Amino acid sequence: NAGVMQNPRHLVRRRGQEARLRCSPMKGHSHVYWYRQLPEEGLKFMVYLQKENIIDESGMPKERFSAEFPKEGPSILRIQQVVRGDSAAYFCASSPGTILPYEQYFGPGTRLTVT
Amino acid sequence: DAKTTQPPSMDCAEGRAANLPCNHSTISGNEYVYWYRQIHSQGPQYIIHGLKNNETNEMASLIITEDRKSSTLILPHATLRDTAVYYCIVRVTQSGGGADGLTFGKGTHLIIQP
Repeated sequence: NAGVMQNPRHLVRRRGQEARLRCSPMKGHSHVYWYRQLPEEGLKFMVYLQKENIIDESGMPKERFSAEFPKEGPSILRIQQVVRGDSAAYFCASSPGTILPYEQYFGPGTRLTVT
Repeated sequence: DAKTTQPPSMDCAEGRAANLPCNHSTISGNEYVYWYRQIHSQGPQYIIHGLKNNETNEMASLIITEDRKSSTLILPHATLRDTAVYYCIVRVTQSGGGADGLTFGKGTHLIIQP
């Protein structure tokens, strides 16, 4: 059973460009979470999605950031008009969401560098 | 979710047991204790979880005090590859509806010495 997959692993964008980060959950997992880790800081929850639904986006910045988890295909975290402060590691996690107590399994992360 | 307190760093000799403490004095009856770790630059890795009873798996043991106000993660024979930041997280889980995001604190940076 393949683990959580994220791509690209490294992404370089110039200020003002768009960044698209993809996450494929583990097989059979219908719940996806995105986290951000700024340099020298801890992991911060951003958003929790189920197929075609955003369940909790309390950790998402109000502007420029959006997330989706379509019926088919990976979950996408989109950052529009990137700024240098968006440089961070972005981790995706998945869980089956049907069996207590819902441990989350993390992917290897996407390291975004904004130049 | 209840707040947790962990020492910022610990050292342990290779081959010895590493005992990582966590205080969660405000834990509620329906909150689980989870442990994750993050090896440098990698995604966090789930280790173990428990509610009331002590738990053991292939990676570690989790000892929860009877009053549930604290717990200890035990790595029985630490290796250099166990050097990582270890996070103790307390959270409510809900039956059938999924669960919210994890709240990571600063964790304990465990350094295994050769």
